[in-house]
Amino acid sequence: GAGVSQSPSNKVTEKGKDVELRCDPISGHTALYWYRQRLGQGLEFLIYFQGNSAPDKSGLPSDRFSAERTGESVSTLTIQRTQQEDSAVYLCASSLVPSGQVGTEAFFGQGTRLTVV
Amino acid sequence: DAKTTQPTSMDCAEGRAANLPCNHSTISGNEYVYWYRQIHSQGPQYIIHGLKNNETNEMASLIITEDRKSSTLILPHATLRDTAVYYCIEGSGYALNFGKGTSLLVTP
Repeated sequence: GAGVSQSPSNKVTEKGKDVELRCDPISGHTALYWYRQRLGQGLEFLIYFQGNSAPDKSGLPSDRFSAERTGESVSTLTIQRTQQEDSAVYLCASSLVPSGQVGTEAFFGQGTRLTVV
Repeated sequence: DAKTTQPTSMDCAEGRAANLPCNHSTISGNEYVYWYRQIHSQGPQYIIHGLKNNETNEMASLIITEDRKSSTLILPHATLRDTAVYYCIEGSGYALNFGKGTSLLVTP
């Protein structure tokens, strides 16, 4: 597709359930990022992938959060045993190369709005 | 935490230039300055980036001071659709570290 695609766009889940959020980056983009944005707040970095490897997982808030990327393409962010504080918009972005280092733009998806009830 | 400092909010009249300042006093020599914006309920959108020289594209101009400790994003003729949160970011490491940004309101 032309841009970064995320699914679902909205997800309501019960506390304690597991959820999977999907990101389809722009074809050929080697770098992929996940961010979290709570209501009225800025973007919080979660994890970065270079190819299928995740050299920086420093932003994952707890061991309930995990992410993987396959085929240098699709990425899945999994949240186990969801809690109410996990409610947020989860944003995915991709870039040709790591955007912080070499001055290229990152393209963002529209996000998945997760509500834990 | 973000290493840049921006005003929390600004207003601008439609058709006028919007000048958004940013302080990045800890920026190192090889770090870029990036500007993104986020319109309500959408993902962030890239605007422009620069290293040392001033930059211009179809969306905006970026003026970077000679000591690189601050910059200004200029939207030359603001429209109502430019109402958004504008983020100034020091590019370091792998990922962009977004702060709270400046909420720009363009008024008729």
